[in-house]
Amino acid sequence: GQQLNQSPQSMFIQEGEDVSMNCTSSSIFNTWLWYKQDPGEGPVLLIALYKAGELTSNGRLTAQFGITRKDSFLNISASIPSDVGIYFCAGQPETSGSRLTFGEGTQLTVNP
Amino acid sequence: ETGVTQTPRHLVMGMTNKKSLKCEQHLGHNAMYWYKQSAKKPLELMFVYSLEERVENNSVPSRFSPECPNSSHLFLHLHTLQPEDSALYLCASSTGYSGNTIYFGEGSWLTVV
Repeated sequence: GQQLNQSPQSMFIQEGEDVSMNCTSSSIFNTWLWYKQDPGEGPVLLIALYKAGELTSNGRLTAQFGITRKDSFLNISASIPSDVGIYFCAGQPETSGSRLTFGEGTQLTVNP
Repeated sequence: ETGVTQTPRHLVMGMTNKKSLKCEQHLGHNAMYWYKQSAKKPLELMFVYSLEERVENNSVPSRFSPECPNSSHLFLHLHTLQPEDSALYLCASSTGYSGNTIYFGEGSWLTVV
């Protein structure tokens, strides 16, 4: 099946710092999605990207669909304690009928 | 509020019990999904329903039995589960079963004792 490599696996940062995480794939994707999961809750969609090169913001979050269509990154600026959680990337491969593939997640800890 | 509601949020069951998880979506979507999330593992797709028909079953043991009576409701019937089945079970929905943007419910935490 398709593999998504998400990095880093975990991050420990100070409040106010910027954060960057990314996902890469060996194959071409049509869609990239970024989700955040709080402890004990389901993943919540943060940003959806549908075109190569697309750069989309949602408040302090910015995500980009890589030009090669094989990667995406998510940036969080000026982190705050409530940014704590697990961030997942997900992508839909170009192959017809393929399902969303999820990364293994980035665990973010923000120290006040 | 994501528009996908799951009940119960927490369930503890013995290995001989029969229980069900329920999911309801208020988004007007026509595809629904069950995912399993275990610690330190990627999300595992279990079942996909499109317009109430099962279109995918990813080699899930028969002790998990899905039911989709209409496009807004999805159930996961559980019987004779094993302790390793303890996990967070997530329901999701999308506008089409190719599922390029899916929306998750809050999850049902299942503990099998």
